[in-house]
Amino acid sequence: DAGVIQSPRHEVTEMGQEVTLRCKLISGHNSLFWYRQTMMRGLELLIYFNNNVPIDDSGMPEDRFSAKMPNASFSTLKIQPSEPRDSAVYFCASSLAADNQPQHFGDGTRLSIL
Amino acid sequence: GENVEQHPSTLSVQEGDSAVIKCTYSDSASNYFPWYKQELGKRPQLIIDIRSNVGEKKDQRIAVTLNKTAKHFSLHITETQPEDSAVYFCAASGNTPLVFGKGTRLSVIA
Repeated sequence: DAGVIQSPRHEVTEMGQEVTLRCKLISGHNSLFWYRQTMMRGLELLIYFNNNVPIDDSGMPEDRFSAKMPNASFSTLKIQPSEPRDSAVYFCASSLAADNQPQHFGDGTRLSIL
Repeated sequence: GENVEQHPSTLSVQEGDSAVIKCTYSDSASNYFPWYKQELGKRPQLIIDIRSNVGEKKDQRIAVTLNKTAKHFSLHITETQPEDSAVYFCAASGNTPLVFGKGTRLSVIA
């Protein structure tokens, strides 16, 4: 079975540019989570969706960040405009349900903003 | 909301020794407790999980124990090997999505 698929794996761009990260869920999973991981702050939950609906976006750092789920199997996380402090590894994870279920992580996108 | 504390933050053991990582949680409604292993540059991967109707679960060299009364759970790795070196995260979930601990960096010294 294919796991969670993220693209791109690496992204290097200049500050001020728009960045779009993509995630494909495991087939049959109903919940989608976006995380950011840095050495300083560890693993932070940014936002999660259940059945395509955003449930909690309280972890989104600021208005420059937005996330969508246009269909049941795909999600995007957009940063516009990007800043150097956004540099991190961004993971998405999917699960059968929002709680009480294991989350399966993608390989992550390593983002560097110059 | 749920709060998960994980200790220690770093742990070094000699190859062949045992390693124990402990977590506490705050929400008595939590009833699902997974553990993840993250190797350097890779994604977190589920290695074992336990639900609140069970006190202990084993899978080869790893085991997890749960004390619901005290609200703590632990990961035990026996006969550690260099490939066990990684960051380990505990998590808890009840009425909310998984809340992760801050991680334990385990180093197994050959």
